[in-house]
Amino acid sequence: GAGVSQSPSNKVTEKGKDVELRCDPISGHTALYWYRQSLGQGLEFLIYFQGNSAPDKSGLPSDRFSAERTGGSVSTLTIQRTQQEDSAVYLCASSLDEGSRYEQYFGPGTRLTVT
Amino acid sequence: AQKVTQAQTEISVVEKEDVTLDCVYETRDTTYYLFWYKQPPSGELVFLIRRNSFDEQNEISGRYSWNFQKSTSSFNFTITASQVVDSAVYFCALGVNNQGGKLIFGQGTELSVKP
Repeated sequence: GAGVSQSPSNKVTEKGKDVELRCDPISGHTALYWYRQSLGQGLEFLIYFQGNSAPDKSGLPSDRFSAERTGGSVSTLTIQRTQQEDSAVYLCASSLDEGSRYEQYFGPGTRLTVT
Repeated sequence: AQKVTQAQTEISVVEKEDVTLDCVYETRDTTYYLFWYKQPPSGELVFLIRRNSFDEQNEISGRYSWNFQKSTSSFNFTITASQVVDSAVYFCALGVNNQGGKLIFGQGTELSVKP
């Protein structure tokens, strides 16, 4: 079946603009995770959802970052007033349920460049 | 606090050589999971293996093998008879049972296999 999909694949935006990144998880997967991959910081956890609620938002770097999930499916990560340090690849993953005993399947990522 | 260290930033080998990628983890939790992911040049993270903290048996899958040693907090990955297609960045990750499944990644090891 279809894997995790993310859109757009690439996004170039000007500093100060808002951006929205979308993630479509594997059908039936109740847990959804956002990570960020940047040169200086490696792969960092941002937030995860179980259903539509976000039990752990501890990785969001600032209040400019927010995420929501609707219908237990699609998730949107929003970055307001983008800064150059937000440039990174944003990865989404989903798993059958929450918990580390379930393997996470990753999408191809959205490469965000803030100019 | 949890941490994963992959001390080898880059490794270069010639095809057919064996290569071992090191991973050392830190956690105070007694129930946890360890993962290896492969990130080929295409960018998508591919799940390779998951081990739980109660299972120290080594595992072999084709040319891949994993050595989990709790005494040294290590979960090393060996590729036997490496091939050019093994060239990728390999990430080791830690998931703690009571944290919803979020993964803490090492910095990654870039493996280059030359013909």
